[in-house]
Amino acid sequence: DGGITQSPKYLFRKEGQNVTLSCEQNLNHDAMYWYRQDPGQGLRLIYYSQIVNDFQKGDIAEGYSVSREKKESFPLTVTSAQKNPTAFYLCASSSFGGTYEQYFGPGTRLTVT
Amino acid sequence: GENVEQHPSTLSVQEGDSAVIKCTYSDSASNYFPWYKQELGKRPQLIIDIRSNVGEKKDQRIAVTLNKTAKHFSLHITETQPEDSAVYFCAASIGPRSGGYNKLIFGAGTRLAVHP
Repeated sequence: DGGITQSPKYLFRKEGQNVTLSCEQNLNHDAMYWYRQDPGQGLRLIYYSQIVNDFQKGDIAEGYSVSREKKESFPLTVTSAQKNPTAFYLCASSSFGGTYEQYFGPGTRLTVT
Repeated sequence: GENVEQHPSTLSVQEGDSAVIKCTYSDSASNYFPWYKQELGKRPQLIIDIRSNVGEKKDQRIAVTLNKTAKHFSLHITETQPEDSAVYFCAASIGPRSGGYNKLIFGAGTRLAVHP
C-alpha cells in the first residue's frame, strides 16, 4: 500500500517527554504538511514544507518542531513545551503546494499523561 | 487572520434526501476550494474541488458551487445514502505570506448522518 504512511498509529507518552511522529511518502510530492485534529475544530496546520531543507510555521507551531532532510520524509517532534499535546495528528502531501489535492496519511493518535 | 467558517456543524437527513453544507472564507485571493470526507477512524479524502474560474462542478451525486463575490461555497449531496455518513471538511487556499507558500485553511467540519 503505497502513498503516505505514518507511524505509529497510537502513541503514549508521559508528560515532559519529547516524542517524534513519523511521516513518509512515496508519491514524489514536493510539499508536505502536519495537521492537528481535535474534536469540533477541524484540521489546524502545524508546519508545512515545500522543498527539502525548508519549512514554514503554520497556525499552531508553538511547542512543535520539524525537519525536512529528505523529500520523502517530514517528521514532527512534539516537545514538552506543547501545553496540550494529546490529539490526533495527520500528515499530508501534495504535488506543488496549497492549491493542489492533499493526500493524507492514516494519522497518529498521541496520548500524553 | 484568514479563516473558513462552515455550517452546520451537524446535519441529519433521511436516506434519499439532499444535504447542503455551506462555507464562507475571508481571503479574497483564495482560488482553490476542496472538500474532504472523513469516515470514522479514517483519513480525510478529497471528494470534489473547485477553482475560482468556475462557478459550479458536479460529480455524480456531489456538486460544489462557488460565489466569489459573496466569498462562499457549498457542497450539495443528492439522493443521500447511509454510506455518505461521515464528517465533511471544506477548505480554502491561502496565498503566500511573508515568504511562505500557499496553504489550505480548513473549516471546523460537518458531521452528516444519513438515516435509512
